[in-house]
Amino acid sequence: AQSVTQPDIHITVSEGASLELRCNYSYGATPYLFWYVQSPGQGLQLLLKYFSGDTLVQGIKGFEAEFKRSQSSFNLRKPSVHWSDAAEYFCAVGFRDDKIIFGKGTRLHILP
Amino acid sequence: GAVVSQHPSWVICKSGTSVKIECRSLDFQATTMFWYRQFPKQSLMLMATSNEGSKATYEQGVEKDKFLINHASLTLSTLTVTSAHPEDSSFYICSARDWVGGPYEQYFGPGTRLTVT
Repeated sequence: AQSVTQPDIHITVSEGASLELRCNYSYGATPYLFWYVQSPGQGLQLLLKYFSGDTLVQGIKGFEAEFKRSQSSFNLRKPSVHWSDAAEYFCAVGFRDDKIIFGKGTRLHILP
Repeated sequence: GAVVSQHPSWVICKSGTSVKIECRSLDFQATTMFWYRQFPKQSLMLMATSNEGSKATYEQGVEKDKFLINHASLTLSTLTVTSAHPEDSSFYICSARDWVGGPYEQYFGPGTRLTVT
């Protein structure tokens, strides 16, 4: 069955440090993959998506993600985090009928 | 950009009563809207998909008689939680999609926190 696993419930990094959030997926076909960010009081915002082509995807706010088919992974990275990046991050995979399956999320905490 | 609003942002109701949540696309026409439920520290679980002018399609395990969805116009969908119970307390999120968007292109509302006492 299709699923998305985010193994880290919480991640804490210092401001200015690099970040990597892990995501593994299970999907039979070529996946459509997404990363969303959820901040309090705001709707989920799409950071980036992968449909095909270049496996390194650039997104908004300085984020990037790399699709690795051999590892069924789509990890999110940022070279230098800012305090404003503290939020909940969701990895997701597109399913049939335009549906999206979300992982359980990773809460990112930023130390000053 | 495409904006989706939800009203109310939070609501408290007594057990046994019904509560309606509105989801509006403010600057585009939403041919399809999705309703999700999010428990604390949990993922978003898709409840149902609604297309304008037709009946909603519910995911397995979602009670269609409890969670009534109406998508009466291209900018408005409503979710009514009928005979609410404390276990219905949750964070409800809608998303909307327009017909010109790419695959899986959904715009999310800010969510509605429902507390049933």
